[in-house]
Amino acid sequence: GIQVEQSPPDLILQEGANSTLRCNFSDSVNNLQWFHQNPWGQLINLFYIPSGTKQNGRLSATTVATERYSLLYISSSQTTDSGVYFCAGTNAGNNRKLIWGLGTSLAVNP
Amino acid sequence: DGGITQSPKYLFRKEGQNVTLSCEQNLNHDAMYWYRQDPGQGLRLIYYSQIVNDFQKGDIAEGYSVSREKKESFPLTVTSAQKNPTAFYLCASKGQDPEQYFGPGTRLTVT
Repeated sequence: GIQVEQSPPDLILQEGANSTLRCNFSDSVNNLQWFHQNPWGQLINLFYIPSGTKQNGRLSATTVATERYSLLYISSSQTTDSGVYFCAGTNAGNNRKLIWGLGTSLAVNP
Repeated sequence: DGGITQSPKYLFRKEGQNVTLSCEQNLNHDAMYWYRQDPGQGLRLIYYSQIVNDFQKGDIAEGYSVSREKKESFPLTVTSAQKNPTAFYLCASKGQDPEQYFGPGTRLTVT
């Protein structure tokens, strides 16, 4: 099945720094989403981005479906950005099941 | 308020007991999902339901059971057959758009 690889696995930033998180897929994916899991475990939808670029405040995401990767940009990071960032997508044969990466654990220090 | 609720937030059980986790949604979504998350890991799909009275096994269904008698509710039972039940359990739902939305989760500890 499709493999989803996220990098880096861990990231430590000083408040105000920028970062880029990456998600690579071993095969074509549809319905790509980015999530943020806060320290209490709640998963929050960040972007639905099967292709192209979207921006929401300090966050933006770009998916290049033909090259099987997606990027999440965090600018001017804040301590509230800490947590784990996941990407997930569905494969062409089954759009009912999300396939997940292992996440990038981000710690933003004041 | 529209959303997905899971209860309880924390649950403790003795080994050998079955336990049922609640998931309710008032988003009028047809599809609902149960995931398991272990420390430092991604999410693994246990069961999912596309419509009332129908559900399918996910990737790690052994030791779990579900029912979908109502559109709003998708309870998960962790049976005594589940070898390592201690985990964080997340419920999600999906409507007509492709995005899944998640509840706050239940942390189950079995000793």
